[in-house]
Amino acid sequence: QQKVQQSPESLIVPEGGMASLNCTSSDRNVDYFWWYRQHSGKSPKMLMSIFSNGEKEEGRFTVHLNKASLHTSLHIRDSQPSDSALYLCAASIWTNYNVLYFGSGTKLTVEP
Amino acid sequence: GGIITQTPKFLIGQEGQKLTLKCQQNFNHDTMYWYRQDSGKGLRLIYYSITENDLQKGDLSEGYDASREKKSSFSLTVTSAQKNEMAVFLCASSMGTGGANSDYTFGSGTRLLVI
Repeated sequence: QQKVQQSPESLIVPEGGMASLNCTSSDRNVDYFWWYRQHSGKSPKMLMSIFSNGEKEEGRFTVHLNKASLHTSLHIRDSQPSDSALYLCAASIWTNYNVLYFGSGTKLTVEP
Repeated sequence: GGIITQTPKFLIGQEGQKLTLKCQQNFNHDTMYWYRQDSGKGLRLIYYSITENDLQKGDLSEGYDASREKKSSFSLTVTSAQKNEMAVFLCASSMGTGGANSDYTFGSGTRLLVI
């Protein structure tokens, strides 16, 4: 069973709109979450990380974390066509801190 | 800044062939990884290594071998390529010390096609 689940599988938003992506883990040993962005034909790049309950904002990107429910969400406001990419959520588990477990991704398309 | 280099960028093989992919990093990271990514999908862990000469199997290790003879390099071998197989193999490295230092840096990938 996959340790990290992402939803939706794909998402289309208009340019200037808000994109909301979700990620949950079923493993109570999860301690940290990361969000990676992967443009088509490129390798994933770390976008944001969150380790504590609450919210973290960097420019147009906001990440929320609820550690009790092991749920994190990524929100992109004023979405741009250049934000179109595959967004991967990853989690680390304190019992094996060497490995990040990745979800299957949300494919975001921002339409001009 | 460091860099992680994968070779070759493209690899075309024949069914049943043994194929080797290479990865080098100069971050001095302890931990290195090989992931497979099928078109538009997430990443599946094949092998990882926490130090020179160490190998740990991931969920997808069957059909693959790996080697970490030096701290800076990690190679992956497809032991018998499957016909019509098409995937991207991503190498990554990290400090591997847990917590905030667990994030990865990825190479640009090797794109495999088996004919």
